[in-house]
Amino acid sequence: SAVISQKPSRDICQRGTSLTIQCQVDSQVTMMFWYRQQPGQSLTLIATANQGSEATYESGFVIDKFPISRPNLTFSTLTVSNMSPEDSSIYLCSVAPLGQGVQETQYFGPGTRLLVL
Amino acid sequence: QKEVEQNSGPLSVPEGAIASLNCTYSDRGSQSFFWYRQYSGKSPELIMFIYSNGDKEDGRFTAQLNKASQYVSLLIRDSQPSDSATYLCAVNREGAQKLVFGQGTRLTINP
Repeated sequence: SAVISQKPSRDICQRGTSLTIQCQVDSQVTMMFWYRQQPGQSLTLIATANQGSEATYESGFVIDKFPISRPNLTFSTLTVSNMSPEDSSIYLCSVAPLGQGVQETQYFGPGTRLLVL
Repeated sequence: QKEVEQNSGPLSVPEGAIASLNCTYSDRGSQSFFWYRQYSGKSPELIMFIYSNGDKEDGRFTAQLNKASQYVSLLIRDSQPSDSATYLCAVNREGAQKLVFGQGTRLTINP
């Protein structure tokens, strides 16, 4: 399985500021996904990060609020912009390894715990 | 109707018994089905995936899929206190490179 790291692991931010979360994988992956998990809730997909093209956003999530970069096959960033307390959540990066569609495996990073005051 | 539904629990099972976790899905075109385990404060960990009707066994875990009934389950035999966690069912929709998650079932194994 892929080894995934995320930075930062947690942060406390002031409202109106922005935070960029990094996701690094130890091997090349085709698909990278960003999820949000609000307290006591399940996972909600924010967007799919595609290497070499624009990210694909889910309903209710927009690029201006959650810009994503995917410069290569092992790295992606998610920015949470103009934060409000409602953005307090765990943000998770997930990957589908090269050669394996999402039908077979998808692995999660350790997550970034964000608290917005 | 939610796309993927699970009983949120909590489900309480005595140690050594079989824990049965259930999941239903609404999209008949769904192709692949996943069970993740999530300990409190941790990220989800893949336990099993299944995409053919029937049973798939891996150690103490058995996944069961019935596409006609749009139903997938996870059985945990010889339940251990370390199995206490939230179990997330996830479904891959046909033609979509992404997963849809249920709300999770919180399982507690009592010693």
